Amino acid sequence: DADVTQTPRNRITKTGKRIMLECSQTKGHDRMYWYRQDPGLGLRLIYYSFDVKDINKGEISDGYSVSRQAQAKFSLSLESAIPNQTALYFCATSDAAYTDTQYFGPGTRLTVL
Amino acid sequence: RKEVEQDPGPFNVPEGATVAFNCTYSNSASQSFFWYRQDCRKEPKLLMSVYSSGNEDGRFTAQLNRASQYISLLIRDSKLSDSATYLCVVNIKGAGNMLTFGGGTRLMVKP
Repeated sequence: DADVTQTPRNRITKTGKRIMLECSQTKGHDRMYWYRQDPGLGLRLIYYSFDVKDINKGEISDGYSVSRQAQAKFSLSLESAIPNQTALYFCATSDAAYTDTQYFGPGTRLTVL
Repeated sequence: RKEVEQDPGPFNVPEGATVAFNCTYSNSASQSFFWYRQDCRKEPKLLMSVYSSGNEDGRFTAQLNRASQYISLLIRDSKLSDSATYLCVVNIKGAGNMLTFGGGTRLMVKP
């Protein structure tokens, strides 16, 4: 089984809808991250969490919120989706002792119409 | 100016060729450097770390030039399976240990 899983893998939604992307990990890592990827722009950090009680904004947090329900679970919400949030979203984890290496989930392809 | 810049490519090379990618970073406080590989529509995976002294892993060689703020990746004897996007990644210590990703360089190896 994959160490970092994301659900759903693909989602099409309409403008204004609320949507939640979920991430689970079995690696036992404390640190979890949410990124979005757009063609030519690389991965950009949305939010990150260093433990269950720690949530931090990343480079592009506007329009997004997160919840760290447990060490293994980190969800990303779009309260009112808009078309420019159409992107590929990745969750990642890292070990607090080796923060340089991040392990990514398979990604969620989100389309907002 | 982007913090990590890469030529997006694509680099089209025949099997067996040697190909090199370059990457420049703008923040002189950058302390750790990596190459990640990303296959089409898949997640990025760590390919190799980049050390000041340069490092080699089989057909792959990575080098760092701190003075010029420049990182390179050399692939020798290219295989069809090397076709992917290669992401240059930098860790700026003191910025919450966050990774900053370049936009990636696409490599296509042809038979």
